[in-house]
Amino acid sequence: DTAVSQTPKYLVTQMGNDKSIKCEQNLGHDTMYWYKQDSKKFLKIMFSYNNKELIINETVPNRFSPKSPDKAHLNLHINSLELGDSAVYFCASSQFNRLSITGELFFGEGSRLTVL
Amino acid sequence: DAKTTQPPSMDCAEGRAANLPCNHSTISGNEYVYWYRQIHSQGPQYIIHGLKNNETNEMASLIITEDRKSSTLILPHATLRDTAVYYCIVRPSLNTGNQFYFGTGTSLTVIP
Repeated sequence: DTAVSQTPKYLVTQMGNDKSIKCEQNLGHDTMYWYKQDSKKFLKIMFSYNNKELIINETVPNRFSPKSPDKAHLNLHINSLELGDSAVYFCASSQFNRLSITGELFFGEGSRLTVL
Repeated sequence: DAKTTQPPSMDCAEGRAANLPCNHSTISGNEYVYWYRQIHSQGPQYIIHGLKNNETNEMASLIITEDRKSSTLILPHATLRDTAVYYCIVRPSLNTGNQFYFGTGTSLTVIP
């Protein structure tokens, strides 16, 4: 059983297109995230949702729109794709508690997006 | 926004201990040290975390200096499957979003 699953694993598309990446977690966690890892392997947080509410938006262009229909799902929709959007996108989840001293992240296997 | 400094790369012989250093000289009293690793083409994986005391689990040991300005992750008997990028992260215990800011990490190569 995959704890955090993302689809698709690979996505190749043309500039200007709109695409979505889906993420689901079966860990019962209440917080989900999207991270972007670029060609230099730098892993950067994009968004975080807690119980379907946005709690982190790290100055990501508004072409990127996350949607959380329930706390087990966090999808990422990208409009008007640009060359610079090419990257590996990782979904993650954790159990967030303001008093928690753990809350470690569980990551999916990544979705490699290539924009031509 | 990473607050840690790590060497970009290290080698370790298979079967030997791998000692990965991390400097976090600006760490404050309520910040924890976390370690994750990323094996090629996979998602990052949690390894261990600590505040002040040394910690050990089935994967690794974490040694934190008394002044908490640096730490060392120890893989006691490195195997080829331990080849990965290792990230040292500091995170406050009561932050607002449980966000982890990853730096550039240390690329560990375990040599047969």
